[in-house]
Amino acid sequence: SSELTQDPAVSVALGQTISITCQGDSLRSYYASWYQQKPGQAPVLVIYGKNIRPSGIPDRFSGSNSGNTSSLTITGAQAEDEAEYYCFSRDSSGNSRVFGGGTRLTVL
Amino acid sequence: QVQLQESGPGLVKPSETLSLTCTVSGGSFSSYYWSWIRQPPGKGLEWIGYIYFTGRTDYKPSLKSRVTMSVDTSKKKFSLTLSSVTAADTAVYYCARDIGDGSLDFWGQGTMVTVS
Repeated sequence: SSELTQDPAVSVALGQTISITCQGDSLRSYYASWYQQKPGQAPVLVIYGKNIRPSGIPDRFSGSNSGNTSSLTITGAQAEDEAEYYCFSRDSSGNSRVFGGGTRLTVL
Repeated sequence: QVQLQESGPGLVKPSETLSLTCTVSGGSFSSYYWSWIRQPPGKGLEWIGYIYFTGRTDYKPSLKSRVTMSVDTSKKKFSLTLSSVTAADTAVYYCARDIGDGSLDFWGQGTMVTVS
C-alpha cells in the first residue's frame, strides 16, 4: 500500500475552488510535489516545495501543508483542469520516494 | 529547455530482462537525480528509483532485488534494467529529472513496455 494517501476521485463545479489532499507521515518532514496527468500524456509538475509553481503553470494552482497533510488547491477550476492528480514525496526513510495513489478530478 | 527521451524494446518475454535508456538533452546533467517511474495500464504512477549523477542509487524496496540503474555522464544518458520480468511489469515507463527534493520537473514522453 502507498505511504501517501489520496482520495480516489473528487469533483468541482466550473469556476469553483477545490482542494485535493495527500496524507502521509513523511509529509511532517518533507514537502510534497504535485503532478497533473491527462489521458495519454506524461505527468506535468504543477506545484513543488513550499508553494512553488513552475513556469507556465497558472496561478490558480497553489499548495499548502499542515501536519501530515499536503494540499493542492485549484481556485476557479477550468474545464482543462480535469485530470488525474498525484502527490509525490520522500518516504519515511527520507531517501526513497513515493507517489500517492492519485485523485481523479472531474470539472462539472 | 531540458528534454528526456526513453528508448528500448517495446516487447520483452517473461523471465527476461527489460532494458531502457533515457537520453537527456539541454541543461546540466550534474547535480540532479535521474529517475525512473512506471505506470501500468489504467493504474497509478509508481516510482522505481533514481540514480544520482555520481552513480549513487536508491530503489523502491519492493523492486530492489530486480532493479539496476547506471549512468553515463559523458553521453548524458542513464539506464534501467529490470530482471525476471512478468506480466505485472507491463507498463509505460517514464524517465524524469528529480531536482533533489523529490520534485520531478522534466519528464520523458514515456515508452510502453509489454511483457508477453
